[in-house]
Amino acid sequence: AQSVTQPDIHITVSEGASLELRCNYSYGATPYLFWYVQSPGQGLQLLLKYFSGDTLVQGIKGFEAEFKRSQSSFNLRKPSVHWSDAAEYFCAVAVAFGNEKLTFGTGTRLTIIP
Amino acid sequence: GAVVSQHPSWVICKSGTSVKIECRSLDFQATTMFWYRQFPKQSLMLMATSNEGSKATYEQGVEKDKFLINHASLTLSTLTVTSAHPEDSSFYICSAKGLAGINEQFFGPGTRLTVL
Repeated sequence: AQSVTQPDIHITVSEGASLELRCNYSYGATPYLFWYVQSPGQGLQLLLKYFSGDTLVQGIKGFEAEFKRSQSSFNLRKPSVHWSDAAEYFCAVAVAFGNEKLTFGTGTRLTIIP
Repeated sequence: GAVVSQHPSWVICKSGTSVKIECRSLDFQATTMFWYRQFPKQSLMLMATSNEGSKATYEQGVEKDKFLINHASLTLSTLTVTSAHPEDSSFYICSAKGLAGINEQFFGPGTRLTVL
């Protein structure tokens, strides 16, 4: 069965600093990968997704992620964070396009300090 | 577009009672809806998948007689927690997937259930 690991439970960065959130997956074939953000009182919002093609994926709110097959990773990056980026971030994997069942990582809580 | 709502946003009930949670796709037709459970500071765990007009498919370990799911229309799915107990207290989240061409799950804001 597929699994997702987010090694960092909590990350604190200064506003304006760069950000990288780590995600590693375990699956035998090429997975479909997602990053979601969860803010209090709001539903999970899709930041970006990777299905195939260019391994560097651009998303909303200035986020990007890079799929590295050799490392089984799909790390999320942002060059300069804003206070509004404080939230919980989840990496997720789906194993079959059309099946759409998502397996989520445990999440990384991002705190922004002034 | 692609908005999913849940009602109620929070509910408190007594042990032994049943609680119904609604999940609605407001501006698209959802052929498939998913129900997740999220414990504090933990990930989302898929409970079941429901397709309009058919029985829900439950994940291993989820009691289908305790968590009744109905997907009666293309815009509404309900989760009923029957004979709720304190251990059922959790954050329940639904998501909806549209017709072909919308290959993405859209998530509702969640429902906080507290069983006393």
